[in-house]
Amino acid sequence: NAGVMQNPRHLVRRRGQEARLRCSPMKGHSHVYWYRQLPEEGLKFMVYLQKENIIDESGMPKERFSAEFPKEGPSILRIQQVVRGDSAAYFCASSPLTQLGANVLTFGAGSRLTVL
Amino acid sequence: GNSVTQMEGPVTLSEEAFLTINCTYTATGYPSLFWYVQYPGEGLQLLLKATKADDKGSNKGFEATYRKETTSFHLEKGSVQVSDSAVYFCALLNTNAGKSTFGDGTTLTVKP
Repeated sequence: NAGVMQNPRHLVRRRGQEARLRCSPMKGHSHVYWYRQLPEEGLKFMVYLQKENIIDESGMPKERFSAEFPKEGPSILRIQQVVRGDSAAYFCASSPLTQLGANVLTFGAGSRLTVL
Repeated sequence: GNSVTQMEGPVTLSEEAFLTINCTYTATGYPSLFWYVQYPGEGLQLLLKATKADDKGSNKGFEATYRKETTSFHLEKGSVQVSDSAVYFCALLNTNAGKSTFGDGTTLTVKP
């Protein structure tokens, strides 16, 4: 039973390019979360999705960032026109549909974005 | 809103020393509390959890007790090993929100 799969593990982009990060949740999990970890900082929530539905995007920057979780395929975090400040580790986590308050997150290994 | 405050690191201990990493939280209602561990180059893994007041979570020799009166969930281990070197994150999940809120993480280094 594969865990949460993220790719690419490492991505290098130049300023102004687009970055696409993919996340396949654990089998049987219907909830996906994206977190960002800036250098020397903790995890900051970005967005919470279920299939074809954004539940909470309160942590997403208003511009350049978008996320989706289509009916088929992985969840995608898209960053347009990247800037150096976007350099970070982006972690995806998934959880099953269970009673709220007991949802344990299973994390992927992360995608490390470097913007030159 | 919800927030988690962790003891600042880094923490450096000798093998077999006693470990405490403090964690306090602010939340409405009755959140569930978690400790996650992140080894170098990896994602976070659940270490232990507690879902209600006075619950004690435990795993791999680590323990934490949900203290509602002090809004705390301190992580302890009686005798650390070199293999425990990692970053430890305290987190909460509120029943009226889907997302977990994390502390900033505490880096632990255990020396032989």
